[in-house]
Amino acid sequence: GEDVEQSLFLSVREGDSSVINCTYTDSSSTYLYWYKQEPGAGLQLLTYIFSNMDMKQDQRLTVLLNKKDKHLSLRIADTQTGDSAIYFCAEILPGRSSARQLTFGSGTQLTVLP
Amino acid sequence: NAGVTQTPKFQVLKTGQSMTLQCAQDMNHEYMSWYRQDPGMGLRLIHYSVGAGITDQGEVPNGYNVSRSTTEDFPLRLLSAAPSQTSVYFCASSKQGNGGYTFGSGTRLTVV
Repeated sequence: GEDVEQSLFLSVREGDSSVINCTYTDSSSTYLYWYKQEPGAGLQLLTYIFSNMDMKQDQRLTVLLNKKDKHLSLRIADTQTGDSAIYFCAEILPGRSSARQLTFGSGTQLTVLP
Repeated sequence: NAGVTQTPKFQVLKTGQSMTLQCAQDMNHEYMSWYRQDPGMGLRLIHYSVGAGITDQGEVPNGYNVSRSTTEDFPLRLLSAAPSQTSVYFCASSKQGNGGYTFGSGTRLTVV
């Protein structure tokens, strides 16, 4: 089946910027999401972007959307040790948009080194 | 508000046993979902509901049943546990779906 794809691991130095990339499946997706999962916890919605936007900024977070390439990225500025977590990209399940259910990538484990 | 509450947090079952994972939300959300999380595979949708009395299958429904008799509760039943059902299970809810989901803290299930 079709998959939302993410790289599995990313390591950055504290204070640097992190960029987490995602390729999604459905060019008609209207909403795309980034979730954060800390160890032993559930998923926390970080931000989402509407498909009619190219960019959304929220404090240290910047989301970029390239609809032509079905590419979504999350940039975290001034990355801190507390940002170490798994980050999931998600879209509304292709083909079943009326159900408004999410399909997730495999997650990117971000490790912030001191 | 408690948000989304899942019980139990941990459970060990023997193969063939049945059990129910509980999920409750107090936000009057219409949409509720069950996911399982396995290493390297992200979250996969098991079953979902778009309102009381309405349920549907997700990507991996086999071996699981759900019901939605009230807006607040969405229990997940394992009919006859198998080692392949060892996983972390998350329940999530949303007012309208498009604005994102609120997740519970998960149930870690081990089937031996």
